Amino acid sequence: GQQVMQIPQYQHVQEGEDFTTYCNSSTTLSNIQWYKQRPGGHPVFLIQLVKSGEVKKQKRLTFQFGEAKKNSSLHITATQTTDVGTYFCAGRRHSGYALNFGKGTSLLVTP
Amino acid sequence: DVKVTQSSRYLVKRTGEKVFLECVQDMDHENMFWYRQDPGLGLRLIYFSYDVKMKEKGDIPEGYSVSREKKERFSLILESASTNQTSMYLCASSWDFRDGDRYGYTFGSGTRLTVV
Repeated sequence: GQQVMQIPQYQHVQEGEDFTTYCNSSTTLSNIQWYKQRPGGHPVFLIQLVKSGEVKKQKRLTFQFGEAKKNSSLHITATQTTDVGTYFCAGRRHSGYALNFGKGTSLLVTP
Repeated sequence: DVKVTQSSRYLVKRTGEKVFLECVQDMDHENMFWYRQDPGLGLRLIYFSYDVKMKEKGDIPEGYSVSREKKERFSLILESASTNQTSMYLCASSWDFRDGDRYGYTFGSGTRLTVV
């Protein structure tokens, strides 16, 4: 199936540092979504990006969708311990098909 | 509060048993999905359904089947459980694809299945 690659696999930061995870697809995506999974929990939808070059913000989180609609990033400014979890990107190759998830980036934040 | 409910949080089954994992959503969503989640492999799509009695294979359908007799319920069936099917199984639902995923997928809490 469609490949959605996500890096890094793990990231360990000190509280207050910034964090970025990157998502790349081998094919053009119709849209991309981001999810967060807390330890022991299930994935929770964060946001969807649809337009080429789109940038959206949610408080300290900034999401970008590349111009070619093949890559995306999630940037967290000044991490907090509540940001701990695994962040997944998920892309759809074309409408009418299920999402393909990246393998996720696990973020650990130490006080 | 909208919900996707999976019937069991933990399940232990023996090799060769037929296993049913049930998922119910109360949001009137058209689409329902079954994923399995394994360390280092992320979420992999097993099957999905975009309407009652309709189903589509995902990336790893081998060894699994599904049933959707009612809009709110989507069942995953392991015809003859094997140890390599030990995993976390996640059910999800969403609005129709034409609506552009207004709210993304809503996931259930998952069923951790162990096959011994």
